[in-house]
Amino acid sequence: QKEVEQDPGPLSVPEGAIVSLNCTYSNSAFQYFMWYRQYSRKGPELLMYTYSSGNKEDGRFTAQVDKSSKYISLFIRDSQPSDSATYLCAMILNTGNQFYFGTGTSLTVIP
Amino acid sequence: DAGITQSPRHKVTETGTPVTLRCHQTENHRYMYWYRQDPGHGLRLIHYSYGVKDTDKGEVSDGYSVSRSKTEDFLLTLESATSSQTSVYFCAAGGTGANVLTFGAGSRLTVL
Repeated sequence: QKEVEQDPGPLSVPEGAIVSLNCTYSNSAFQYFMWYRQYSRKGPELLMYTYSSGNKEDGRFTAQVDKSSKYISLFIRDSQPSDSATYLCAMILNTGNQFYFGTGTSLTVIP
Repeated sequence: DAGITQSPRHKVTETGTPVTLRCHQTENHRYMYWYRQDPGHGLRLIHYSYGVKDTDKGEVSDGYSVSRSKTEDFLLTLESATSSQTSVYFCAAGGTGANVLTFGAGSRLTVL
């Protein structure tokens, strides 16, 4: 079993839709959770970063962590064509610097 | 990211030849990482460094070696390239206690 599971998609939505991206994980010791956005032929860039359980909002983006279910989500409101990218979840234990990545979900927002 | 530069950005080489990829950072980060990204596998850790001359293996380290003689530079070497090492390689860096990574733009390597 992989440490982090992520549905690869692809996911295709119309402009303005609410998008939900999800990851599950197996290690309950993970404390820090991240979402990266990767445009085609570019490096991943940090989108959201959360610590432990709860929600974090940044503009149209909301990151949600449910540690009891070992499940994290990224919601995109009013999706735009510029949101078309691959989204990778990542997480890290409380100590040490071993990052665990999901395989990424490919998202296309259709104008 | 402007703080992390990878070179070369593209390289085509033949099986059996040595290849070195360079990562240069200007942020004085302690930790540096080399990942490869392949369809269906996502990002896989090759090697990482937690300080000058301090390195350790990741999950896919066979066939790769690394060196870090200065804080700002982290080199990835393929001693004898094989077709299975055709991939996009990403360098990343993070500071002491930092829990996020900053990535370079990637190096696309094709081994014929």
